[in-house]
Amino acid sequence: DIQMTQSPSSLSASVGDRVTITCRASQSISNYLHWYQQKPGKAPKLLIYAASSLQSGVPSRFSGSGSGTDFTLTISSLQPEDFATYYCQQSYTSPRTFGQGTKVEIK
Amino acid sequence: QVQLVQSGAEVKKPGASVKVSCKASGYTFTSYAVHWVRQAPGQRLEWMGWINTGNDNTKYSEKFQGRFTITRDTSASTAYMELSSLTSEDTAVYYCARDLGSSGWYSLGYWGQGTLVTVSS
Repeated sequence: DIQMTQSPSSLSASVGDRVTITCRASQSISNYLHWYQQKPGKAPKLLIYAASSLQSGVPSRFSGSGSGTDFTLTISSLQPEDFATYYCQQSYTSPRTFGQGTKVEIK
Repeated sequence: QVQLVQSGAEVKKPGASVKVSCKASGYTFTSYAVHWVRQAPGQRLEWMGWINTGNDNTKYSEKFQGRFTITRDTSASTAYMELSSLTSEDTAVYYCARDLGSSGWYSLGYWGQGTLVTVSS
């Protein structure tokens, strides 16, 4: 199975901060990497697919980059509604593994 | 608009089975795969398997092989997941999700609301 490792596991940030989350795959997954946002008690929401494509309706402050094994999700200016847990997932092969999540908390 | 509506919460005893439904609307059901993902309390998302709703092919995580089945009823635009031999470790919220197909690199673009399955004696 492909292991997906996110860092950090949690972070504290203030409104307006630039936030970066990284995701590393245990083998190359090309661009088959996606980012999701999950708020407590809610289903995940797709933010970025194919490493860098913004899902329709998602604010442009979210961006993604990377290919192969190393990927990054960036929030350019953190907003109050962005406090949540973020997951990466690969769809290169089954099982379609997720990272362990990164919880973004208010500083 | 695309919607996935799941069946309600379940409480099961250890050793029992559970079946959860996921009714799709707002698109052609047989055009996109449906996946099942679960999340135990405080844990990460865990992919369980998917079904090609067009040809009924399935793929399961080896972790659940042998006790997990995904089926679909095209006339009802509904996918089902059934998990047997339940233990307390299966207590989780179970989600169905629809992928975006090849143009979306098979990302999970639409999700059901989740179904809480509690396994307790």
